[in-house]
Amino acid sequence: DVKVTQSSRYLVKRTGEKVFLECVQDMDHENMFWYRQDPGLGLRLIYFSYDVKMKEKGDIPEGYSVSREKKERFSLILESASTNQTSMYLCASSSGANVLTFGAGSRLTVL
Amino acid sequence: DAKTTQPNSMESNEEEPVHLPCNHSTISGTDYIHWYRQLPSQGPEYVIHGLTSNVNNRMASLAIAEDRKSSTLILHRATLRDAAVYYCILDNAGNMLTFGGGTRLMVKP
Repeated sequence: DVKVTQSSRYLVKRTGEKVFLECVQDMDHENMFWYRQDPGLGLRLIYFSYDVKMKEKGDIPEGYSVSREKKERFSLILESASTNQTSMYLCASSSGANVLTFGAGSRLTVL
Repeated sequence: DAKTTQPNSMESNEEEPVHLPCNHSTISGTDYIHWYRQLPSQGPEYVIHGLTSNVNNRMASLAIAEDRKSSTLILHRATLRDAAVYYCILDNAGNMLTFGGGTRLMVKP
């Protein structure tokens, strides 16, 4: 089975801190995605990547950046965390068939 | 982008079949219909997808209307572990899947 592993299940950070959320997949998938999930708003796409060093903005990229230096790893970076970035962050990967496999999620609280 | 409409919530009794509807009246000819579900405290998981013909797998069946403007996810015998939010999504073979609000399925023992 494809596994998508997110490095931290729960994080608590302070306003202004730099935050790294790491995601690793083990099935050689080309595409990787970062979503955030908030009550009443569903899942919203932040960024995605279809190849190493490639990235595309999703629906809500403001305040975030991403890095994909290796095929298996896709990092989400919050340069200066703010309280409105408190959320559940979900990483996913897919092959060309566009069937997504998600990680378990990282719940970030920004104080 | 084509959108989907699903009921906010549904209830089912354990061991009975469940039919989860989805309307997608603006679907285009090349859009695939995907279903995912999200169990409590987990990321979404893929359930099934199809284009025109009905599809079956070990988890569920997908019935697609002849005009493709609606589809139904069928769980043949609901269990308590099927309680989840079910998302119906259209995929135009681009790289982005847009998740709506989904249907919260509650299963009663």
